[in-house]
Amino acid sequence: ELKVEQNPLFLSMQEGKNYTIYCNYSTTSDRLYWYRQDPGKSLESLFVLLSNGAVKQEGRLMASLDTKARLSTLHITAAVHDLSATYFCAGPYSGAGSYQLTFGKGTKLSVIP
Amino acid sequence: NAGVTQTPKFQVLKTGQSMTLQCAQDMNHNSMYWYRQDPGMGLRLIYYSASEGTTDKGEVPNGYNVSRLNKREFSLRLESAAPSQTSVYFCATRDWGRIEAFFGQGTRLTVV
Repeated sequence: ELKVEQNPLFLSMQEGKNYTIYCNYSTTSDRLYWYRQDPGKSLESLFVLLSNGAVKQEGRLMASLDTKARLSTLHITAAVHDLSATYFCAGPYSGAGSYQLTFGKGTKLSVIP
Repeated sequence: NAGVTQTPKFQVLKTGQSMTLQCAQDMNHNSMYWYRQDPGMGLRLIYYSASEGTTDKGEVPNGYNVSRLNKREFSLRLESAAPSQTSVYFCATRDWGRIEAFFGQGTRLTVV
């Protein structure tokens, strides 16, 4: 069974600052997903990281994957208020013949003007 | 193209009542999932269906039943609702040939 741990769970940061969200997972996995959720909304896929060393960037967000360390990071550069949301990482595992996603508890990011 | 549609969006039930949450997808995906989201708990898998005709328990199946009616539809039933089932429920789908899972808009359920 895969366990996924995110930290921090809450993050309040000022606009213009940089910060990193960490996602550790318990068993070997060659892929990792990041989702964004706005309050009262559904989950939106941000990044799919498919191999060791994968790095993906979209705007002020950059995600990376280190499968040897079982660690993914989501780096926020020069935060803006629009990035305020809850961010989830999720890892896959195959159980009972099917492919499942296990989610971390989420990091609630508040960017303060 | 609606994607993944959940009904209803909001529901209030009394303890002991039953109800069925509906999920329909027009993405022709094989696998469908039901998650619940509680504050501070992330998303937890209730049940899933790898393909039409199969269903399996996830992490928190107690108090729920599911039906994979056809390839498009996957329903979640609460036979006797309890306050502990107050949550936001998300349906998700995934195709075997794709990497990502796609989520519906959620059903906010309150059991009083």
